[in-house]
Amino acid sequence: QKEVEQDPGPLSVPEGAIVSLNCTYSNSAFQYFMWYRQYSRKGPELLMYTYSSGNKEDGRFTAQVDKSSKYISLFIRDSQPSDSATYLCAMSGSTGFQKLVFGTGTRLLVSP
Amino acid sequence: EAGVTQFPSHSVIEKGQTVTLRCDPISGHDNLYWYRRVMGKEIKFLLHFVKESKQDESGMPNNRFLAERTGGTYSTLKVQPAELEDSGVYFCASSRNDGQPQHFGDGTRLSIL
Repeated sequence: QKEVEQDPGPLSVPEGAIVSLNCTYSNSAFQYFMWYRQYSRKGPELLMYTYSSGNKEDGRFTAQVDKSSKYISLFIRDSQPSDSATYLCAMSGSTGFQKLVFGTGTRLLVSP
Repeated sequence: EAGVTQFPSHSVIEKGQTVTLRCDPISGHDNLYWYRRVMGKEIKFLLHFVKESKQDESGMPNNRFLAERTGGTYSTLKVQPAELEDSGVYFCASSRNDGQPQHFGDGTRLSIL
């Protein structure tokens, strides 16, 4: 069983829709939770990160962590075609951002 | 500020040959990480340098892989001899310290024929 599970998609939505991306994990030692965006032929680009449980908002993006359920989410409001990319969740333990454990990524397609 | 830079962007070699990948981290970042993504799988950790010292190399697959970071600046990852299963995308990331998230380069796409 993988430590981090993520639906690979693709997830297709119309422009303006609210997008929900999710990951589940099995290792209760994870304390740091990150979302990366990756465009084709590019490296992962850090979108947001949170420590422990709770919500964090940055513009159109909201990250949520529910440690009791071992479940994290990324919400994208008013989605744009430029949001079309692969979204990767990543996690690490209490020592900080070392040794990230990634999900497989969810491919998102936002149509005009 | 320049980002993490990786060379080459793509390398195609034959099984049994040697390949060396290079990573230039963001200036001032003491932490440097190597990751790999093989086809259809998730990105997986290979190793972590703090300056020139290997902090964690638990993800290195076998002794055909050798990572160095002389002088604590750029890093190289050598694969010798390359095998078919080594094909994938090799990413490098860096961070200023453990309290900061990692920033990734665009990767080196390695194809072993």
